[in-house]
Amino acid sequence: DAGVIQSPRHEVTEMGQEVTLRCKPISGHNSLFWYRQTMMRGLELLIYFNNNVPIDDSGMPEDRFSAKMPNASFSTLKIQPSEPRDSAVYFCASSLPGGGDTQYFGPGTRLTVL
Amino acid sequence: QKEVEQNSGPLSVPEGAIASLNCTYSDRGSQSFFWYRQYSGKSPELIMFIYSNGDKEDGRFTAQLNKASQYVSLLIRDSQPSDSATYLCAVAGTALIFGKGTTLSVSS
Repeated sequence: DAGVIQSPRHEVTEMGQEVTLRCKPISGHNSLFWYRQTMMRGLELLIYFNNNVPIDDSGMPEDRFSAKMPNASFSTLKIQPSEPRDSAVYFCASSLPGGGDTQYFGPGTRLTVL
Repeated sequence: QKEVEQNSGPLSVPEGAIASLNCTYSDRGSQSFFWYRQYSGKSPELIMFIYSNGDKEDGRFTAQLNKASQYVSLLIRDSQPSDSATYLCAVAGTALIFGKGTTLSVSS
């Protein structure tokens, strides 16, 4: 079975550019999570969806970040405009119903903003 | 602010030894606890979860939970070099809250 799929795997962009990260959760999972991981701050939850509806976006750093889940099999995380401090690895994870259940992580997108 | 604390390490153990990884959490009402392993450059993968006080064993791994003291631990018996990774403790609330992880190094 396919796991969580993320694209792109690596993204290098210049400050001020728009960045869009994509995620396809495991089929049948109806909770989806976006995380950001840095050495300094560890793994931070940005936002999570339940049945395509955003439940908690308190981790979204600022208005430059936005996330959507138009259907059960696709989600995007957008950063506009990007800044060097956004450089990190962004993970998407999915789980069965219930935000605290076992989560399965995608391979991540390594974002570098120059 | 719910917090999960781990010693960042590195924790160094020789091959064949027992590695002990510890985690404390702030929310006394937490019910579910998870250990994830993350190899360098890879994504976190679930090792074990535990819900009840006491020990839970799975192969060479044992998770221990003490809700009264608000700590969770992971024991790795017969440590192997392939166990060298960062181990993340996570506590379930509305979503998982992760500690920053403990780096384990097993030397052959």
